Amino acid sequence: EMQLLESGGGLVQPGGSLRLSCAASGFTFGSYAMTWVRQAPGKGLEWVSTIRYTGERTYYADSVKGRFTISRDNSKDTLYLQMDSLRAEDTAMYYCTKVLRPNGDYAGPFDYWGQGTLVTVSS
Amino acid sequence: EIVLTQSPATLSLSPGERATLSCRASQSVTSYLAWYQQKPGQAPRLLIYDASNRATGIPARFSGSGSGTDFTLTISSLEPEDFAVYYCQHRSNWPATFGGGTTVEIK
Repeated sequence: EMQLLESGGGLVQPGGSLRLSCAASGFTFGSYAMTWVRQAPGKGLEWVSTIRYTGERTYYADSVKGRFTISRDNSKDTLYLQMDSLRAEDTAMYYCTKVLRPNGDYAGPFDYWGQGTLVTVSS
Repeated sequence: EIVLTQSPATLSLSPGERATLSCRASQSVTSYLAWYQQKPGQAPRLLIYDASNRATGIPARFSGSGSGTDFTLTISSLEPEDFAVYYCQHRSNWPATFGGGTTVEIK
């Protein structure tokens, strides 16, 4: 059974940093592009960042570019999101997602989602 | 950036009725459009991809159509478990974006 398990969320002060992790199992992690999607409380979904299956190409939303870094360790079947210079508007549930098709750097569709990890940026 | 506009924002219907949800793109996304369902406290679930393909395990009452800039998600006969929020999303170029969502609520 495919599974994505996020961790690393929590309460952080504005300007602080957090590192999210997503442990994958049940599929060949190194064959799929992976994406972080976030959802602010009571709001809609926002695409944050995607990393190619090999890890050498990354894409970011303008709202996080220069502050967030996506990475992956295919030997550990784990996806990461390093979040620096956090702002109140980064407060959200962060979901780790897998794309449907292997290889490439597709921006969707996302066929598996983790349960999310909550990031709260507040003083 | 391609903007996806979903309408209506809220759809009030009764079980057994037909639901028609719209997603309009600010420029062509060809057929690279997906639909997701989200229930309270849960992660979204993929329903439809590439405009008209049902994802694994999705009931036949869900169907998608459209191409270019205008897309529709149809639920042929609403079941109690279908009352939820629905989002469209494109993968035509970067950045990928989501629509604002349509809430299907019980009338």
